[in-house]
Amino acid sequence: DAGITQSPRHKVTETGTPVTLRCHQTENHRYMYWYRQDPGHGLRLIHYSYGVKDTDKGEVSDGYSVSRSKTEDFLLTLESATSSQTSVYFCAISRQGNSPLHFGNGTRLTVT
Amino acid sequence: DQQVKQNSPSLSVQEGRISILNCDYTNSMFDYFLWYKKYPAEGPTFLISISSIKDKNEDGRFTVFLNKSAKHLSLHIVPSQPGDSAVYFCAAKREGNEKLTFGTGTRLTIIP
Repeated sequence: DAGITQSPRHKVTETGTPVTLRCHQTENHRYMYWYRQDPGHGLRLIHYSYGVKDTDKGEVSDGYSVSRSKTEDFLLTLESATSSQTSVYFCAISRQGNSPLHFGNGTRLTVT
Repeated sequence: DQQVKQNSPSLSVQEGRISILNCDYTNSMFDYFLWYKKYPAEGPTFLISISSIKDKNEDGRFTVFLNKSAKHLSLHIVPSQPGDSAVYFCAAKREGNEKLTFGTGTRLTIIP
């Protein structure tokens, strides 16, 4: 797993509630990413971080925010969850921009 | 706008034969390509990559071919084994850009 832990692994929440997903790494890698996987869409980048407090948007960032206050932790927050955010969320890390990504085992989020 | 396309959602191959997975891309600025393999309930794992300065890269049973003029890459697995049954994603990026764009995936089933 390249030292990546995602929590929780499963979550069911109601529409309109805030949700925070956590990604923790023990590899001291600079880059961290949040992707979502949906049928017919593959993996789509939500946000990524290239250092502590340095983040940028991906292709599907609307409705999501992120924070990285420490090298090892990257948090993804859904301020007000919607049913369209039901998905499997993957965190990934890489040592540098051109290194392959290593993924966590995912968080399955269901918004009812 | 799907910049990386895997037009075959699924593929079945007899054990011992060759599996060929295809991927097309539209962005001519992409210059680094990767294949990932994903088992159920796990995160994707890196398989093999190729830079645009090459047209072939081989690693054991896995070979990736790149045809830049056609904006096409393929992954060959030979011989195919039951453990190769998984979803395969191709991905592409521009050098110096941290964002990796994934295709929609192809589910490979190896028939014993």
